[in-house]
Amino acid sequence: KQEVTQIPAALSVPEGENLVLNCSFTDSAIYNLQWFRQDPGKGLTSLLLIQSSQREQTSGRLNASLDKSSGRSTLYIAASQPGDSATYLCAVDKSNDYKLSFGAGTTVTVRA
Amino acid sequence: DVKVTQSSRYLVKRTGEKVFLECVQDMDHENMFWYRQDPGLGLRLIYFSYDVKMKEKGDIPEGYSVSREKKERFSLILESASTNQTSMYLCASSYPDRIEKLFFGSGTQLSVL
Repeated sequence: KQEVTQIPAALSVPEGENLVLNCSFTDSAIYNLQWFRQDPGKGLTSLLLIQSSQREQTSGRLNASLDKSSGRSTLYIAASQPGDSATYLCAVDKSNDYKLSFGAGTTVTVRA
Repeated sequence: DVKVTQSSRYLVKRTGEKVFLECVQDMDHENMFWYRQDPGLGLRLIYFSYDVKMKEKGDIPEGYSVSREKKERFSLILESASTNQTSMYLCASSYPDRIEKLFFGSGTQLSVL
């Protein structure tokens, strides 16, 4: 069974600092990995999707890397802003089906 | 923009009641999913459907059933609600091509008393 872990569970940084969020998974046979953002009491918004054949994806200030062999992905957010405060979740799509396995998330607070 | 709409934002039900959670998407997505989200546990897949009248169990289907009579609508049914089903329920949809992203509704916070 695929286990997805995100450490730390919470993070607080001053505005302008770069954010580094980690995601690890136990089974390297994945199809893709997605990073999501969740605002309090809301649904999830997909930020980036990395196919298993890719090493990274970028969108604006966001960059996500994937190292399948070591079972790790990292989400970088450059020059953080208070509006980046949210919970960030990673999810892994296993190779055999459409079921995503989610981590519990990292809750980020960016202090003004 | 893709819209995934969940019929209720908050719901309070009593133990033993039959509960229906409705989800509608407007982008003609083949795939639809129901997750529950609990603090510290992340999201767990209850059921998913890849076509009308098709359904597959996720990781925690016990105590739940689903219905997909039309492509745009996916319903989650709690046959006899119990207190341990108090949770945030999230519906999602996507195209069948697995390079496509998943789109979520805003969630239904269900409390079973």
